[in-house]
Formats: sequence, structure tokens, C-alpha cells
Amino acid sequence: QVQLVESGGGVVQPGGSLRLSCVASGFTFSTYGMHWVRQAPGKGLEWVAFIRNDESNKYYVDSVKGRFSISRDNSKNTLYLQMNSLRAEDTAVYYCAKDGGDFWGQGTLVTVSS
Amino acid sequence: EILLTQSPGTLSLSPGERATLSCRASQSVSSRYLAWYQQKPGQAPRLLIYAASSRATGIPDRFSGSGSGTDFTLTISRLEPEDFAVYYCQQYGSSSWTFGQGTKVEIK
Repeated sequence: QVQLVESGGGVVQPGGSLRLSCVASGFTFSTYGMHWVRQAPGKGLEWVAFIRNDESNKYYVDSVKGRFSISRDNSKNTLYLQMNSLRAEDTAVYYCAKDGGDFWGQGTLVTVSS
Repeated sequence: EILLTQSPGTLSLSPGERATLSCRASQSVSSRYLAWYQQKPGQAPRLLIYAASSRATGIPDRFSGSGSGTDFTLTISRLEPEDFAVYYCQQYGSSSWTFGQGTKVEIK
């Protein structure tokens, strides 16, 4: 069955960095685009970034442009989100999701706090 | 950028009642690219409806979607106890997603 498993969340100080990972199984990872979506505590869903299956294009929400970088390793069935210059407002559960929205991971919590 | 506005913010209903949730777009959206999700506390979103009216795999037929242009609706014909949750509409383009702010369906 399809599984998406995120990891890499934790507590980080403002200005710090984290790298999130999302390991995929149960489908042909290399043929699908992938998204990161976040949800701040008690808030709604916010799309963060998208990467095409072959890494040919990457897209970001304006608030993370220049600070976050999405990438993937199709040989490892893994999606990444490198997050730099983190701010308090980046505190959220981060989900990876298969393009089409039919499969999501369970999420990993990122807390930016001093 | 397309903005999605959902109403009402909260819907208080009893099991067995009909729920009607609205999603209005700031500009016309292709029906092919409008979806609905359900989210329960502590869980990831679950795809219910895609292409405005197609049920995702395993979704009961009490869930239905309709609409076109700027106005879309999710209807739950008879609420089951497990349907009390937050619902989001979503517009998906070729490179990004946009979500509405959500409608909470709570037990009256």
C-alpha cells in the first residue's frame, strides 16, 4: 500500500535550519510530482512547495522563497525540504503529499522558538 | 492568485442531518481542478472529491460535490458520527495548490 513517512522535524531557534525528509513506498515515486503542505497550530492548510517528477521545475509559496528548497532523490524514493533562516511563523506540521492529493504523510512538527 | 472562501466557518448539525458546505473562488476555476478534503484532529487531510464532483477511492456516496465557475458545494447527505470534522476546498493548478480556510462541521 502507499505510504509517505516524514521525518526531520524538531525544535530550532529562529534563524536556524532543518531538513525534512519524506520516504515514499507503494507507488512509482519517480513518475509523480510531490508537494509539501504545512499547517500552523490550530490553523488551516497552506501549500508550501511543489517539485515535478524529474526535478525540472520547482515552485514555492512567496513566504518561503529564497529560504526553503525542495528536492528529491528518485533512486531513494525520497523527497526533501531544506528550510533555512527559519522564523517563528514557520512553526507548523509539515506534510508531504503526492500530486493529485490522494496520499499524504502523517506529518512532522517543526517548532521555531528561542 | 486565486483565493478560495469557504462558508460557513462552522456548521452545527445533528447526526442524520444534511450538510451543505460552500466554496467560492475569487475568479473562475476549472471544475477539473477543484477538490475537497476532510481532516480530523491529529490526522492528515483525506481526499474526498476531485474534479469538483468525482468521489475519491473508498469515499461513501453520501459525499457529493457540485458546482462550476466560482461557486462549488460539498454536500453530505446524512451525517454519520465520523463525518464531524473540518473540510477544506482546494484549487490545484499545474504547479501549486490553494486551500480555502476550512469549514468545521460540529455536533449540535
